[in-house]
Amino acid sequence: DAGVTQSPTHLIKTRGQQVTLRCSPKSGHDTVSWYQQALGQGPQFIFQYYEEEERQRGNFPDRFSGHQFPNYSSELNVNALLLGDSALYLCASSFSEAGLHHFGNGTRLTVT
Amino acid sequence: RKEVEQDPGPFNVPEGATVAFNCTYSNSASQSFFWYRQDCRKEPKLLMSVYSSGNEDGRFTAQLNRASQYISLLIRDSKLSDSATYLCVVNQGGSARQLTFGSGTQLTVLP
Repeated sequence: DAGVTQSPTHLIKTRGQQVTLRCSPKSGHDTVSWYQQALGQGPQFIFQYYEEEERQRGNFPDRFSGHQFPNYSSELNVNALLLGDSALYLCASSFSEAGLHHFGNGTRLTVT
Repeated sequence: RKEVEQDPGPFNVPEGATVAFNCTYSNSASQSFFWYRQDCRKEPKLLMSVYSSGNEDGRFTAQLNRASQYISLLIRDSKLSDSATYLCVVNQGGSARQLTFGSGTQLTVLP
């Protein structure tokens, strides 16, 4: 039984570029949440997807957008990358919006 | 004021020691509380949920004081493998379904 899988593992981008990160939820889970974790900080909530809709959003600009597909997998898109977007991006899946979160290994994004 | 505040540490303790971590949260309407453990450059993993009655899992004991909006984690008989960052996590519940994390407390258990 595969857990939450994220791709890619690492990514290096240049300021101003766009990036897409991917997440496949744990089997049986229908909700995906995305978090950004800067070095030395706890994860910060970006948004949550359920039934292919964004249900909740944290304090992140519109440059951060997402999508959930019918198979419950999800993408996180970040446009016009800034140096400050460098972080570990974590995807968490759960069964229903209030279920316990299971985290993937994360994607480490470096913006130069 | 941060929604969830933790002492960042680091805590450096010898093997076998007892160590306690504290956490406060600002939203009195918060409904669910957790401790997560995060190893260096890895994802957070649920260590235990925290209940008002207090709960224990082996060497780990968690306590919640709703009146003081305070959460604690006690680790007894520390092992080298306990070295990690411990994250205090709150879920406000209701229409707010996201987890709110503290910045984490770093623990190093020394031989």
